[in-house]
Amino acid sequence: ETGVTQSPTHLIKTRGQQVTLRCSSQSGHNTVSWYQQALGQGPQFIFQYYREEENGRGNFPPRFSGLQFPNYSSELNVNALELDDSALYLCASRSQGNGYGYTFGSGTRLTVV
Amino acid sequence: GNSVTQMEGPVTLSEEAFLTINCTYTATGYPSLFWYVQYPGEGLQLLLKATKADDKGSNKGFEATYRKETTSFHLEKGSVQVSDSAVYFCALSEYNNNDMRFGAGTRLTVKP
Repeated sequence: ETGVTQSPTHLIKTRGQQVTLRCSSQSGHNTVSWYQQALGQGPQFIFQYYREEENGRGNFPPRFSGLQFPNYSSELNVNALELDDSALYLCASRSQGNGYGYTFGSGTRLTVV
Repeated sequence: GNSVTQMEGPVTLSEEAFLTINCTYTATGYPSLFWYVQYPGEGLQLLLKATKADDKGSNKGFEATYRKETTSFHLEKGSVQVSDSAVYFCALSEYNNNDMRFGAGTRLTVKP
């Protein structure tokens, strides 16, 4: 098993810019979810992809969007960055129906200045 | 909606002390319950899980029992080590829901 890998590990962007974060899912996992973890808080669900389609979304605006590719890698795109978007962004993958447990990546720390 | 409430930290213990971190949940159906651990600078690692009432999840000396009557899933360990210092998250997930709901996390520091 290769685990879940995310890139980059750290990123600094300016307010108003756009950012793309990348995730490589664990081998055999066809479901990927993205979470936002603000400092000192628990992760908040952004959205989930299954077979390249979004099949669930949390309380995040449309400027948060994503893609999942046939090899199950995925991207999180955030447009018009705001200062409050500064957080750790976590990617998590699982097989559909494996008892609901996710394997998390180490995250991308995004700082918006 | 579904939610998780866990005891606020930080929790500071001496090595070999007994640990309890309380977690209660609210769910409309029959969720699976999880404990995740986050070490500094890392993502979340699944510590243990329970998928139905009265199940006990266990791993690395940690245990938690799914109590439907009290809607709780408290984490316990009989003798903590310095290496257990981390942030612990209680979480739930329902089959028909796509998202996993997390508590705010409890920071544990174990001193030698």
